[in-house]
Amino acid sequence: DSGVTQTPKHLITATGQRVTLRCSPRSGDLSVYWYQQSLDQGLQFLIQYYNGEERAKGNILERFSAQQFPDLHSELNLSSLELGDSALYFCASSAEFSRAGAYGYTFGSGTRLTVV
Amino acid sequence: DQQVKQNSPSLSVQEGRISILNCDYTNSMFDYFLWYKKYPAEGPTFLISISSIKDKNEDGRFTVFLNKSAKHLSLHIVPSQPGDSAVYFCAASEGAGSYQLTFGKGTKLSVIP
Repeated sequence: DSGVTQTPKHLITATGQRVTLRCSPRSGDLSVYWYQQSLDQGLQFLIQYYNGEERAKGNILERFSAQQFPDLHSELNLSSLELGDSALYFCASSAEFSRAGAYGYTFGSGTRLTVV
Repeated sequence: DQQVKQNSPSLSVQEGRISILNCDYTNSMFDYFLWYKKYPAEGPTFLISISSIKDKNEDGRFTVFLNKSAKHLSLHIVPSQPGDSAVYFCAASEGAGSYQLTFGKGTKLSVIP
């Protein structure tokens, strides 16, 4: 158990629908990151939040949005879903001053989203 | 445009032998390079990293080599064990304080007993 909790583990939904993925970071970690891993692709950075505020944005579609709440958990909202959004979505967290660029961060086990 | 490339999708090695996983990058701004290991149904876990000012970093059975002029790094696992069977991701960042990691597509290592 990495300490980063993601729910649900699996999600199947239809095209055009909206889903919410949830992430609870490790205790004490202020930063939360979201990554997408599509079939045969590496992990693609979506967005980072630090203590409730957006810190960095990657290749996140306009149909996707995220937020981090005062208790530091984060949610990734995916709307108007398309077949191509089927992927593994990972959340990760890191502590302040953790030098994440050098030592990485801790990932959860992911949510597998299947759009049918 | 992939800035971090792992050109071998898979690799099979006999137990006890050396496993060499390769990674190439194109972005000269990358300052740190990391390797993550991923088992099925789990998230990636950090394995080892190297700063661009070094050419080698060792941690037990794992050694990462960096060739900056060739923009190439490799992860050596010696000796390989069946428990090392996993997908290995190469990642890079533009500095210790940079929080965005750029990942390759991964190499699936199978260690045959």
